[in-house]
Amino acid sequence: QPALTQPASVSGSPGQSITISCTGSTSDVGGNNYVSWYQQHPDKAPKLLIYDVSNRPSGVSDRFSGSKSANTASLTISGLQPEDEADYYCTSYRTSSISWVFGAGTKLTVL
Amino acid sequence: QIQLVQSGIEVKNPGASVKVSCKASGYHFTENGISWLRQAPGQGLECLGWINPHNGRTKYAEKFQGRVTMTTDTSTTTAYMELRSLRFDDTAMYYCVKEWAGRFDPWGQGTLVTVSA
Repeated sequence: QPALTQPASVSGSPGQSITISCTGSTSDVGGNNYVSWYQQHPDKAPKLLIYDVSNRPSGVSDRFSGSKSANTASLTISGLQPEDEADYYCTSYRTSSISWVFGAGTKLTVL
Repeated sequence: QIQLVQSGIEVKNPGASVKVSCKASGYHFTENGISWLRQAPGQGLECLGWINPHNGRTKYAEKFQGRVTMTTDTSTTTAYMELRSLRFDDTAMYYCVKEWAGRFDPWGQGTLVTVSA
């Protein structure tokens, strides 16, 4: 059972905005700001999109943004594009086990 | 640019061991940790553990304690992950990734390990 809860799938039309949630506990998401998000296209390695809740690495589009409220982190993609269709994973540091925990992933379909 | 290049496809029998390599370039190898993760077919990501190339300190996920060993060779800037007593459900894509303060970036291209009789 994945440590962090994500919806299995979300969908949206080109140009729309969608939000993917990532729910944990006070031991991980709610207890620190080490939340990051990854995008994975089929048969490709994951790519870092967001780190420390809301920071984007250089080269990542500003259409991707992150936030957090209590034990739930969120990834918002605005102005959906066909190439955004991918799987998205969240991760957070779990202080109780001194380890990184992941969500099961969310499949984004761009209609 | 920063790059992690992994060794090739492995096919192993149940009970065997596999050792995957991960050659790092483009950054100071000893200044960042290397994590190993895997992804079973159609499944999510699972962390096997982490190694600090500076001092060789490791932290293994509880699930893999006793079955996994991570090492590094600083002279060749290469990290290694050995998994023993392979089972069918160890079939997965195995990734190495540079890790610093929770930022897993970049990732190696992945090494497919298939456990088959």
